[in-house]
Amino acid sequence: GQQLNQSPQSMFIQEGEDVSMNCTSSSIFNTWLWYKQDPGEGPVLLIALYKAGELTSNGRLTAQFGITRKDSFLNISASIPSDVGIYFCAGPPRGSGNTGKLIFGQGTTLQVKP
Amino acid sequence: EAQVTQNPRYLITVTGKKLTVTCSQNMNHEYMSWYRQDPGLGLRQIYYSMNVEVTDKGDVPEGYKVSRKEKRNFPLILESPSPNQTSLYFCASRRDPLYGYTFGSGTRLTVV
Repeated sequence: GQQLNQSPQSMFIQEGEDVSMNCTSSSIFNTWLWYKQDPGEGPVLLIALYKAGELTSNGRLTAQFGITRKDSFLNISASIPSDVGIYFCAGPPRGSGNTGKLIFGQGTTLQVKP
Repeated sequence: EAQVTQNPRYLITVTGKKLTVTCSQNMNHEYMSWYRQDPGLGLRQIYYSMNVEVTDKGDVPEGYKVSRKEKRNFPLILESPSPNQTSLYFCASRRDPLYGYTFGSGTRLTVV
């Protein structure tokens, strides 16, 4: 089936640094979602992207829908300790239509050193 | 407060003993789903439901059952749990396919 591959798997950065991560697939997606999971909690939706080339921001977070529709990127500027967590990309597989199907990548674990 | 509530938060059980994890949402959402999370594998969809009495398999449905008799509830049933079902489980709901799921806080299940 279709898969989402996230890179890198983990990152350990200094507070204040910018962060970039991406999500790729061999298949086309029409929607890209980015989630963050805090330790001990369920994932929370950060940004939703619906059009190729779309660039959307949420505070210090910016995500882009790749023009090939096979990838998406998430950037975090000026990281702070509360950015720690696991970041997931997600999308409805091609052909899933209006079903409830939504697949996730393996996640990128971010650690921030104060 | 709009939320997805799942119970219990933690559960330790023995192989073969039937169990049910409950899930309820108060947002009048049409869509509900169950996921399991395992290290290095991300979130994998077990089952989803598009409305009352309408359910379908996700990517890892083996060993699980679900039912959607009411719009707000979507229980996950393990008829005969096995150790490979030890995992962190999340219930989620959303109002339509254009939106992302809202997740519950998780149920950590250990099968010994």
